[in-house]
Order: sequence, then C-alpha cells, then structure tokens
Amino acid sequence: EAGVAQSPRYKIIEKRQSVAFWCNPISGHATLYWYQQILGQGPKLLIQFQNNGVVDDSQLPKDRFSAERLKGVDSTLKIQPAKLEDSAVYLCASRSPCGGLEEQYFGPGTRLTVT
Amino acid sequence: KQEVTQIPAALSVPEGENLVLNCSFTDSAIYNLQWFRQDPGKGLTSLLLIQSSQREQTSGRLNASLDKSSGRSTLYIAASQPGDSATYLCAVRQAETSGSRLTFGEGTQLTVNP
Repeated sequence: EAGVAQSPRYKIIEKRQSVAFWCNPISGHATLYWYQQILGQGPKLLIQFQNNGVVDDSQLPKDRFSAERLKGVDSTLKIQPAKLEDSAVYLCASRSPCGGLEEQYFGPGTRLTVT
Repeated sequence: KQEVTQIPAALSVPEGENLVLNCSFTDSAIYNLQWFRQDPGKGLTSLLLIQSSQREQTSGRLNASLDKSSGRSTLYIAASQPGDSATYLCAVRQAETSGSRLTFGEGTQLTVNP
C-alpha cells in the first residue's frame, strides 16, 4: 500500500511570506495529523482531523496557521505570514479507522526554512 | 501538562555493543508508550508499543520496558549495527486525550560506528 505523501519536500521562504504544504494520507485513513518538528526536538501535534472535522487544534497557532481537509481525504497546512521560528519539518500522519490507536503512519515531511 | 524527556541526547558506540536509551515522563496516567525511529529526511517508523498494563515488549534485537508508576521507559538494543544509526523518539499517549495525540520526547541521536 502506498504511504503518506507530502509535498513539497523542501521550501525556503522569507519571513512574512506565505506557504502551503500538502498531504495525501493512506487511502481509507479517516484520521489525519499535522506535526511540527523543530530541529533537535520531538514532533509536536498541530492539528488532528477525523474525516473533514477538526478533533484537536489546541496547539495550532491560529493567528498564522490554518489547515483544512475539505473532502476528508487530502489536507493542506498554511502559514501566513511566516516567522523565523516557523523553520521546522512539518510531518503529516494518518491512521486507519480499523487499526489500533498506535497505527499512525508518517510521511517524509516538508522541511521549511524561513529566512 | 505531560513532558517527555530522553537521555542521552546523543550516543556514539562501536558496532556490537549493547545499549540502553532512556525515556521519562511526568504524568504517569498514560494509555501507552511508543518508541519510534527517525532516519534523516524521512518520517517516523514505529518500533515498539507498550500498553500501560504491560511491562515490556520485544522485537528482534529491541526490547522496551515500561515502569508506569515511576514514569520511565527504556529501549534496549542488543548487538548494535551501523544500520541502527538514527534518532530514536519516545512518545506517550494520555488516557484522557481524545483521538490519539502523542507527546514526544526530544529524541536520542544514535551513531553506531563500524
């Protein structure tokens, strides 16, 4: 089965610019997660979707970050405007409705550099 | 608020050595604990998961233990190989959290030298 796909793999932007990341989960996976991983740290959950609804966005900086999963399949994460501290790897993960709670599959991530 | 700490931050060992990675968490009310491996430029790969009612899990040369009451877990790697070089992340899932949010530690960067 194909894994979680993310694009782009790398992105370099200047501060105050906008950027968007795309994630296509494993087919049939109802739950989708976006994590932020700053260099030297563990991933931090930004937002969790169940189908097209938000389950948990308590750690999402809503003044500049937004995410959507309109059709309950692929998802986009946007940052507008970007700050230097947003430089990180953005990981997408998905989970099957039939799998155990532990079955999160991660994509390769998008490495964002804000200059 | 749950906090997860991993020690050491980095470890370099010669091939063939047995090693232990440590993970501690502040809130013992966890649902389960999971160890991941992360290779440069790649996503996370799940290695072992221990339910809160379990004491340990084994997979090949890997053994993970859990002492929930003291808020500690260890990942034991036997007979290390250069291919084991990666960052190892510990993550816990809270019993009260909806969905399956994971709280991660900062990771241990392991280098196994041939």
